[in-house]
Amino acid sequence: DAGVIQSPRHEVTEMGQEVTLRCKPISGHNSLFWYRQTMMRGLELLIYFNNNVPIDDSGMPEDRFSAKMPNASFSTLKIQPSEPRDSAVYFCASSLRRQGYEQYFGPGTRLTVT
Amino acid sequence: AQRVTQPEKLLSVFKGAPVELKCNYSYSGSPELFWYVQYSRQRLQLLLRHISRESIKGFTADLNKGETSFHLKKPFAQEEDSAMYYCALSPLSGPGGYSGAGSYQLTFGKGTKLSVIP
Repeated sequence: DAGVIQSPRHEVTEMGQEVTLRCKPISGHNSLFWYRQTMMRGLELLIYFNNNVPIDDSGMPEDRFSAKMPNASFSTLKIQPSEPRDSAVYFCASSLRRQGYEQYFGPGTRLTVT
Repeated sequence: AQRVTQPEKLLSVFKGAPVELKCNYSYSGSPELFWYVQYSRQRLQLLLRHISRESIKGFTADLNKGETSFHLKKPFAQEEDSAMYYCALSPLSGPGGYSGAGSYQLTFGKGTKLSVIP
């Protein structure tokens, strides 16, 4: 298995543009997590899904952020419109939903909004 | 709500010296604690979890419920240990017992960058 796959790996965009980040979880995993990593705030959970259903989106910073998981093998995180303060590394992780589980992280998408 | 605190942003030690990365947590129920590590240019990955009581790459961590701590230790640091380390907590059960659905998310500390000096 190639592990969790994220695309693109780097994204540079101008303020106001729409940004879509993509994630393919490990096959068979039924939980998917989106995180944002910044120097100031560290690693923050934005939203997570169990069996493609959003369970907790309380970490999503604003209505400009939205996430979907149309099927078990694909998820997107969209920012519209993007702002410079959204610049960060965005990680996707997947796991089996059980006690003692391990979250497997993707390589991340480094987003720069100018 | 749960919280994880890693008081040191950066920790520098000499090769061969002991290492202790501090982690304190706040959670009213019974937690499960993890250490994740991110080596340069690599993905964040699980290092160890308290339930397993294992030693990985010479690292150990003991859950101290009295002090609400889960410090990561290694007796002799190696250069290859240089990395970013994150402590994380998952609710094993809530204040009233096992919480069931929605209890598998992780709360991470802000991380400690360990630099081992040759």
